[in-house]
Amino acid sequence: QVQLVQSGAEVKKPGASVRVSCEASGYTFTEYYIHWVRQAPGQGLEWMGWINPHSGATNYAQKFQDRVTMSRDTSITTAYMELRRLRSDDTAVYYCARDVRVLGTLFWYFAFWGRGTLVTVSS
Amino acid sequence: EIVLTQSPGSLSLSPGDTATLSCRASQSVTSNYLAWYQNKPGQTPRLLIYGASNRASGIPDRFSGSGSGTDFTLSISRLEPEDFAVYYCQQYSSSRLTFGGGSKVEIK
Repeated sequence: QVQLVQSGAEVKKPGASVRVSCEASGYTFTEYYIHWVRQAPGQGLEWMGWINPHSGATNYAQKFQDRVTMSRDTSITTAYMELRRLRSDDTAVYYCARDVRVLGTLFWYFAFWGRGTLVTVSS
Repeated sequence: EIVLTQSPGSLSLSPGDTATLSCRASQSVTSNYLAWYQNKPGQTPRLLIYGASNRASGIPDRFSGSGSGTDFTLSISRLEPEDFAVYYCQQYSSSRLTFGGGSKVEIK
């Protein structure tokens, strides 16, 4: 079965960086994109971007363009999301999610999610 | 970027009632590439509907999606206690995905 296992909670100071990992299993890692979505406390879902594990290509939401880097290590079927220059309003649960392939076509909705990683930014 | 506006922000209903949630897009969502999710506190979002009207695997038929272009609706009939949650729409027709702000269905 498809599983996305994320790294544990983090506490960071403003201005620091955080890297969250997402280990995938139960499917061919390079055949589906990994997306990152975050949810601040009491707030809605916010898409941050995706990485194509096959090629390493990425696409980021405009809001995070200059602060986020998504990467992957295919040897350990793990995707990473690094967010730099953290601010207090980056406090959120960060989810990785996998898209769906139907008859060879990828569709960017999410049937599979990691359990989330809480990142707290506080001085 | 396609902005999704959900309404109402919250609604109070009783078990057995029908909930009707709206998701309006700032521009046309091509090919009806619109999904709906259910989100409960402390839980991972759960896919309900994709392609505007297709129920995901294991989703009860009291959940139904409709709409096209810029106006989409999620209907939940015969509300069960476990249906009280926040619901989000998401468009995937553009390379920059976006979510709506959510609609909370509360118990009256």
